[in-house]
Amino acid sequence: DGGITQSPKYLFRKEGQNVTLSCEQNLNHDAMYWYRQDPGQGLRLIYYSQIVNDFQKGDIAEGYSVSREKKESFPLTVTSAQKNPTAFYLCASSRQDFKNTEAFFGQGTRLTVV
Amino acid sequence: AQKITQTQPGMFVQEKEAVTLDCTYDTSDQSYGLFWYKQPSSGEMIFLIYQGSYDEQNATEGRYSLNFQKARKSANLVISASQLGDSAMYFCAMREGRGDYKLSFGAGTTVTVRA
Repeated sequence: DGGITQSPKYLFRKEGQNVTLSCEQNLNHDAMYWYRQDPGQGLRLIYYSQIVNDFQKGDIAEGYSVSREKKESFPLTVTSAQKNPTAFYLCASSRQDFKNTEAFFGQGTRLTVV
Repeated sequence: AQKITQTQPGMFVQEKEAVTLDCTYDTSDQSYGLFWYKQPSSGEMIFLIYQGSYDEQNATEGRYSLNFQKARKSANLVISASQLGDSAMYFCAMREGRGDYKLSFGAGTTVTVRA
């Protein structure tokens, strides 16, 4: 079945550590996105990518980094520079055709700083 | 600047009644797409409905319809005949036509359906 897989589902990070969240899709989508969601809040865009080896900062990119070495994969690294990383992280992908191209989402990773 | 505004943080609706969720957006592009998603307490994001800026008719998908008022930059979601399973958070989103496929979301509206 085609879809987006995020792993792990739950992640615990110690202060000062970098952690990487995985996002893999087999939908053959060109565009991929990372969002952060705080409790009871909306989705805020961290980074997005249209094609391999290219990505753009979203609205809250500070303290995060990404790579897009393969079409299927768009990992997100939460660095120690991110002062408040505890949140729910959602990865999404969509076709590059503009019309009616809804984004498909993974199940999310819940990151907690301990 | 906020691109998508959802002014209703929470709403209660009686089962079998209709509910309207407000969404206004801000863009200078002529070509853009508007989306509504549902997020149950499980956290998954479920796509509900899409409206293109050039679509002349309001979009409908089953019990969901989109009241699109382009001049007012408004894209309200109407859920008819509410069911208990409709209790969730609802997000309005916009993809602008700049070619970079940035997809931005509003703050969301929590809907609680009462029996």
